[in-house]
Amino acid sequence: GAGVSQTPSNKVTEKGKYVELRCDPISGHTALYWYRQSLGQGPEFLIYFQGTGAADDSGLPNDRFFAVRPEGSVSTLKIQRTERGDSAVYLCASSFGVSGEAFFGQGTRLTVV
Amino acid sequence: QQQVKQSPQSLIVQKGGISIINCAYENTAFDYFPWYQQFPGKGPALLIAIRPDVSEKKEGRFTISFNKSAKQFSLHIMDSQPGDSATYFCAASVLGSGGSQGNLIFGKGTKLSVKP
Repeated sequence: GAGVSQTPSNKVTEKGKYVELRCDPISGHTALYWYRQSLGQGPEFLIYFQGTGAADDSGLPNDRFFAVRPEGSVSTLKIQRTERGDSAVYLCASSFGVSGEAFFGQGTRLTVV
Repeated sequence: QQQVKQSPQSLIVQKGGISIINCAYENTAFDYFPWYQQFPGKGPALLIAIRPDVSEKKEGRFTISFNKSAKQFSLHIMDSQPGDSATYFCAASVLGSGGSQGNLIFGKGTKLSVKP
């Protein structure tokens, strides 16, 4: 596809469950970023990958959150033991190298009930 | 500690008017200042960006003014149109020392409504 693709677009889960959110970056983009956007707020940085490795994971709120990018393309954000406070839109972005413009996907709206 | 403070929270402008959104930052290591536009249900999209070596950058109807000594930057939208109605975010990052253009600190956003 031409842009960053995120699936699912919406996810409703019960408190305590495990969820996985997927991001397909723009083809050829080496850098990939995850953000979380709560209602009425700006996106909050979580983690970024340069290739397969996490270059900066300082934004992950706690050890329930984990992200992987095993082949340097698709990335999965994993949240264990979900809490109601995890409800937000999770945005993924990618760029061609670290100096390239970051293009955002439409996000996955996660609701924890 | 909020590193990028944005104001106003909301803004209503008449069609053809000038929309002005302001941001202030604290971290003097920031060296990349973009503005993003976000429509409901969509991800943010880069509108215009500036580096601190210039005081102004203009692209079409959009202009960034940058004041390094005051640690402030602003977005001006000239001849505002109803289609400009969206939420605008300022952001900042550190590109030097191995930083990344996508590792951004965002402001809280300004909801702009342009009335016809």
